[in-house]
Amino acid sequence: NAGVTQTPKFRILKIGQSMTLQCAQDMNHNYMYWYRQDPGMGLKLIYYSVGAGITDKGEVPNGYNVSRSTTEDFPLRLELAAPSQTSVYFCASSYGAFNQPQHFGDGTRLSIL
Amino acid sequence: DAKTTQPNSMESNEEEPVHLPCNHSTISGTDYIHWYRQLPSQGPEYVIHGLTSNVNNRMASLAIAEDRKSSTLILHRATLRDAAVYYCILNSGGSNYKLTFGKGTLLTVNP
Repeated sequence: NAGVTQTPKFRILKIGQSMTLQCAQDMNHNYMYWYRQDPGMGLKLIYYSVGAGITDKGEVPNGYNVSRSTTEDFPLRLELAAPSQTSVYFCASSYGAFNQPQHFGDGTRLSIL
Repeated sequence: DAKTTQPNSMESNEEEPVHLPCNHSTISGTDYIHWYRQLPSQGPEYVIHGLTSNVNNRMASLAIAEDRKSSTLILHRATLRDAAVYYCILNSGGSNYKLTFGKGTLLTVNP
């Protein structure tokens, strides 16, 4: 099983550029999440989805957008990249909600210059 | 969200048991206690979770105080691969789907 797969692993963007971070899971999980982790800090939730066609904001959604057209995929879109979005981005999925473990991908390391 | 308090760092020797403490004095009755760990340059990895009773799995044991205001993650025999940041997280579900990661405990394992 691949689990949660994130692409790309690394990316450098210029200020104002856009990009999509890809996330796919093959565990048939309904719940999917996007987190960001700044250096030396814990993770913060950006967006989450409880099923295909349903998304909602987390703690730090500004500057990001998501979509969930299939159970497997949950892409994260940055429209106008800013230096404050330099971070490591983690996608996760879980079978259920709060009493189920979340499975994380290996992350996308993004630098905005 | 109820807050957790963990030591910033701990050190252990290989093949010895490790007890990682977590205080959560404001825990509510519906809060599950989750433990995750994060190895360098990797995503967080689920370790164990529980509500009231002690829990065991192949990775670790979770000991929960009777009043639930503290818990301890127990690694029975530390290996070098267990060197990571360990996060103790409370989650009560409802409309709160997020896992609130604090700074965790950096565990160093000496050979």
